[in-house]
Amino acid sequence: AQSVTQLDSQVPVFEEAPVELRCNYSSSVSVYLFWYVQYPNQGLQLLLKYLSGSTLVKGINGFEAEFNKSQTSFHLRKPSVHISDTAEYFCAVRFSSNTGKLIFGQGTTLQVKP
Amino acid sequence: SQTIHQWPATLVQPVGSPLSLECTVEGTSNPNLYWYRQAAGRGLQLLFYSVGIGQISSEVPQNLSASRPQDRQFILSSKKLLLSDSGFYLCAWSVEGHRGQPQHFGDGTRLSIL
Repeated sequence: AQSVTQLDSQVPVFEEAPVELRCNYSSSVSVYLFWYVQYPNQGLQLLLKYLSGSTLVKGINGFEAEFNKSQTSFHLRKPSVHISDTAEYFCAVRFSSNTGKLIFGQGTTLQVKP
Repeated sequence: SQTIHQWPATLVQPVGSPLSLECTVEGTSNPNLYWYRQAAGRGLQLLFYSVGIGQISSEVPQNLSASRPQDRQFILSSKKLLLSDSGFYLCAWSVEGHRGQPQHFGDGTRLSIL
């Protein structure tokens, strides 16, 4: 079955420290990968996406992610976080289909402490 | 540019009352449309998606229904709300036929059932 797993439900980190949010998926077909951020009481905002080509993709707000096909992972990273990065982060995978449906991970709460 | 609107932003309803949430998209034609529910502290659950006017697919059996009376209008309804219908409801759209395109989310509706 196709699934997406975010390995950490909460990640506390101090301001200006690096952070990695982990995402793994299971699939035997081609995938498209996305990271979204959700601030309290708001919708989801697209951070970055991997469609094809270079496995390292850069997104908004200084975030980047690396697609690893052999490990079926798409981890999100930022070298130095800010207080304003405190939010919920969702990994999403679109498996080859025509409907555009995404499968979301359960989310990771990033808590940046001063 | 494309925009998506959801309303109302917040809603408090008694158990057993009807529900109608509306979502409209501007600046694109024939989008795929989606309704998600996000329960407190949990990930996103896809409720319905639509690839065209009058075409609705339900992902999970539930107390809710969806309709698409116009190309860029997506409505989520219920005849009688249950306590379990409480949550944060998100509407999203994506470009039809483009497999790698992300979904774009509205700002959500916070629904509280009393």
